[in-house]
Amino acid sequence: DAKTTQPPSMDCAEGRAANLPCNHSTISGNEYVYWYRQIHSQGPQYIIHGLKNNETNEMASLIITEDRKSSTLILPHATLRDTAVYYCIVTNTNAGKSTFGDGTTLTVKP
Amino acid sequence: GAVVSQHPSWVICKSGTSVKIECRSLDFQATTMFWYRQFPKQSLMLMATSNEGSKATYEQGVEKDKFLINHASLTLSTLTVTSAHPEDSSFYICSASDSGFFSYNEQFFGPGTRLTVL
Repeated sequence: DAKTTQPPSMDCAEGRAANLPCNHSTISGNEYVYWYRQIHSQGPQYIIHGLKNNETNEMASLIITEDRKSSTLILPHATLRDTAVYYCIVTNTNAGKSTFGDGTTLTVKP
Repeated sequence: GAVVSQHPSWVICKSGTSVKIECRSLDFQATTMFWYRQFPKQSLMLMATSNEGSKATYEQGVEKDKFLINHASLTLSTLTVTSAHPEDSSFYICSASDSGFFSYNEQFFGPGTRLTVL
């Protein structure tokens, strides 16, 4: 699996957009980009995933650069409940398993 | 979305005893289940991958005789920590996926099991 690099922490004001970057410069053609988040002492929660096109769902938007070497998760209107550790993962579709990096601790402040 | 449960949610045991943790997919059939371990303030570390009806594949450095994994049905996988010691105290998380129904490799995670070995 390709390795990912994320900033260790970020702050965001409540109601503002949170933009979480992820670098995955060694991604290969059959690897998807997945985003999960983990609220303290809970299991990770799926947010969104994509291959090469930008994606949007009710939780977030995922922007993947044209060369697929980086991506950005966007939470359009962050709330206090969005405070969590966000993990960007690149998964080989054949292997099926995911390797978690250190993630980004997002703190949403009032 | 799909729901995965774990039981128990927390367990305290004495050193030297064995502990079994169950992972169930409640509303879908999980062809593949994954077991992770997470120490405080650290990321999830994949321990093993199990496919229904076959032996689990363990990650490097994970002792297969100490962490017994059974995936006997499409809705249940178990992790048994044998002869547990204090250093096995951790947060154990399972996830499940069904590539035949959901987006390929989308994993649904359980709520985790907190194991404390005294």
